[in-house]
Amino acid sequence: SQTIHQWPATLVQPVGSPLSLECTVEGTSNPNLYWYRQAAGRGLQLLFYSVGIGQISSEVPQNLSASRPQDRQFILSSKKLLLSDSGFYLCAWSSPLSVFNEQFFGPGTRLTVL
Amino acid sequence: AQSVSQHNHHVILSEAASLELGCNYSYGGTVNLFWYVQYPGQHLQLLLKYFSGDPLVKGIKGFEAEFIKSKFSFNLRKPSVQWSDTAEYFCAVNRPISGGYQKVTFGIGTKLQVIP
Repeated sequence: SQTIHQWPATLVQPVGSPLSLECTVEGTSNPNLYWYRQAAGRGLQLLFYSVGIGQISSEVPQNLSASRPQDRQFILSSKKLLLSDSGFYLCAWSSPLSVFNEQFFGPGTRLTVL
Repeated sequence: AQSVSQHNHHVILSEAASLELGCNYSYGGTVNLFWYVQYPGQHLQLLLKYFSGDPLVKGIKGFEAEFIKSKFSFNLRKPSVQWSDTAEYFCAVNRPISGGYQKVTFGIGTKLQVIP
């Protein structure tokens, strides 16, 4: 069966510091991968999605970037964090073969920027 | 702007009460519709989905949703809620976008609190 991992689970970082959040998927090949940010009262905002290694699409302009160095690895990064980057970050995957494009979510990372 | 709207942001019900959470979307064309649920401290997980066919779909834990194309709606229902249904519920719409890809857009969520 497929599983999705995210780490770390929680992170507290000072403003201006770099960020690296990692997401890996097991049990599937060539998944579509997604990074979302969940904020109270704002639902889930899609940040990035990837349909293959090195293929990243950005949904909103921001202080963050994403990379996909391996088929089942998706990384969310920042060179210098802002206070506004605080939030709950979710990684998700879907099968490119799925008619539904239903997405499966990881446990999330709670990021606090101080 | 194209969007997914959930009208009830916070709902409080007593156990055994009936539930209906509204969801409307503004996309034309073919869409797939979902309801996801996030129980306290748990992953976001799929509750039910609609692709085609019978517009009344049944999901886990006694939930169902009805797709009404003319109203662009996909409301979630449960006849009798339980305390364990306390969670946040998200409506989502999948649609094709440029390049042959698909995109899922989520509503802002509805927090349901069930009082024993």
